[in-house]
Amino acid sequence: KQEVTQIPAALSVPEGENLVLNCSFTDSAIYNLQWFRQDPGKGLTSLLLIQSSQREQTSGRLNASLDKSSGRSTLYIAASQPGDSATYLCAGEQGAQKLVFGQGTRLTINP
Amino acid sequence: ETGVTQSPTHLIKTRGQQVTLRCSSQSGHNTVSWYQQALGQGPQFIFQYYREEENGRGNFPPRFSGLQFPNYSSELNVNALELDDSALYLCASSSRNDRPYNEQFFGPGTRLTVL
Repeated sequence: KQEVTQIPAALSVPEGENLVLNCSFTDSAIYNLQWFRQDPGKGLTSLLLIQSSQREQTSGRLNASLDKSSGRSTLYIAASQPGDSATYLCAGEQGAQKLVFGQGTRLTINP
Repeated sequence: ETGVTQSPTHLIKTRGQQVTLRCSSQSGHNTVSWYQQALGQGPQFIFQYYREEENGRGNFPPRFSGLQFPNYSSELNVNALELDDSALYLCASSSRNDRPYNEQFFGPGTRLTVL
């Protein structure tokens, strides 16, 4: 059974810092790894998807990496801004497009 | 191109009642998945519909059921509501025709409160 863990559960940093969010999964037989952003009480916004054959994806100030052998993914956010404050969720796809989510990291960027 | 939409936005029910939640998939998407997200937790997979048939189910009892219609929209039905069913219900759509076909796009969710 796939389990996804995100550490830390909460993170608060000053504006402008570069930061890394961590995601680990127990079963390396995942198809893809997807990172989402969730604002309070809202739905999920897809940020990046890394296919199992890829090692990283980049979009603007975001970079996500995937290491299936170690069961880890990281989301790197460069030059953080207050607008980046949200909960970040990672999810591994177990096949048939079923996503297994971590509990999320609640990020606060302080002006 | 319209995104994933869900209705209603909020809903309050009492224990034992039944509820129907609705989801319209993103244009061109043929697969709909439903997730339950309790407060402070990550979403949990309920089930998925593809070509109007259930195509995978998570660890949820049979009182959670669904439908997919020919236009790919979907309904989630929950019978005999329990207090623990209070959660944000998220719908996600995706397409098996695209590459990467398995990227899922989520709607804004329906907040269900059971009293």
